Amino acid sequence: DIQMTQSPSSLSASVGDRVTITCRASQSISAYLNWYQQKPGKVPELLIHTTSTLQSGVPSRFSGSGSGTDFTLTISSLQPEDFATYYCQQSLTIPIYTFGQGTKLEIK
Amino acid sequence: QAQLVQSGAEVKKPGASVKVSCKASGYTFTNFGVSWVRQAPGQGLECMGWISAYNGDTKYAQKFQGRVTMTTDTSTSTAYMELRSLSSDDTAVYYCARGGGGSGGWFDPWGQGTLVTVSS
Repeated sequence: DIQMTQSPSSLSASVGDRVTITCRASQSISAYLNWYQQKPGKVPELLIHTTSTLQSGVPSRFSGSGSGTDFTLTISSLQPEDFATYYCQQSLTIPIYTFGQGTKLEIK
Repeated sequence: QAQLVQSGAEVKKPGASVKVSCKASGYTFTNFGVSWVRQAPGQGLECMGWISAYNGDTKYAQKFQGRVTMTTDTSTSTAYMELRSLSSDDTAVYYCARGGGGSGGWFDPWGQGTLVTVSS
């Protein structure tokens, strides 16, 4: 199984900060990497698929990059509504995929 | 707009089974697969398996093989997930999501989730 490891597990930041979350795969997954946002008590929502393609309706302050085993999610200027938990997910191993353990982004 | 609506919360005793439904609307059901993902309280996301709404092909995560069955009813655009031999470790919110398989490896949209509580 491909293991997905996110870092950090939690992060405190302020409104307006630039934030980067990292996701590392245990083996190469090419560009088959997706990102989700989950707010407390809510359903996960797709932010980015295939490493860097922004889902429709997602603000442009979100961006993704990487390839192979190392990927990043960047929020260019944090907004109050961005405080949530973020998950990466590999989609190489069709159709059973694995998620990272999550990164909880909290207000400083 | 694509939408998935799941059945309501369930409380089950250890050893019992649960069947969760997921009704799709706003898209052609048979053009996409449906995946099932669960989330234990305070924990992360775990992929349970996938079903093709086109031909009913299924693939289950090894952890759940022998204990889970995923089906679809194309006449009602509904997917089902049945989990048997429940234990307290199965207490979780169960989500269905469009996607997986050949229809792209990302999940969008998700159902609202179904809380399954296993307790004696």
